[in-house]
Amino acid sequence: EDQVTQSPEALRLQEGESSSLNCSYTVSGLRGLFWYRQDPGKGPEFLFTLYSAGEEKEKERLKATLTKKESFLHITAPKPEDSATYLCAVQVFMFSGGYNKLIFGAGTRLAVHP
Amino acid sequence: EPEVTQTPSHQVTQMGQEVILRCVPISNHLYFYWYRQILGQKVEFLVSFYNNEISEKSEIFDDQFSVERPDGSNFTLKIRSTKLEDSAMYFCATAPPGALTDTQYFGPGTRLTVL
Repeated sequence: EDQVTQSPEALRLQEGESSSLNCSYTVSGLRGLFWYRQDPGKGPEFLFTLYSAGEEKEKERLKATLTKKESFLHITAPKPEDSATYLCAVQVFMFSGGYNKLIFGAGTRLAVHP
Repeated sequence: EPEVTQTPSHQVTQMGQEVILRCVPISNHLYFYWYRQILGQKVEFLVSFYNNEISEKSEIFDDQFSVERPDGSNFTLKIRSTKLEDSAMYFCATAPPGALTDTQYFGPGTRLTVL
């Protein structure tokens, strides 16, 4: 069964204190790995797509990396406005083709304090 | 920047009633999805829709649920005879054609409360 596990469940950082969030996955065939940000009561906001091991993507203070078993979301010098839940999701190859669903992890709740 | 929109933002209904949740996709997108998120739980896939038909559905998406694109713009999720356990946030997501098909963009959600 395809699974996505995120750790830690919650993370508290001081402003400027860099850290990393982890997303490990067990899937039959990875088509793509996605990172989303979700604010309370809102929909997931797309951040990055990664397709192959070794790939990296950056956006402002965020950098996402991918290996064959996991992905990391690195947050450099975070600010309070980075506080949110960060969701990892995978798409898997389907023999039938199709328009692939996302399988989500439970998320990491990040709180950045001034 | 184009966005997915959803209405209503909050729907309160009595158990056993029917509800229709509406989504307006980004204009050139062709692939449509519904997901739900029960409070404190993971986002879960319900159904995908392309070319006016369902392409995949989850175990959750039973005969109680249906989707359609009635007028070429709106994309709707109908829940017949709602149950208490249907209370959740329902998200519509859409994806563009071509090379960027994989990336799904989510709407703000509809909070459904079944009493």
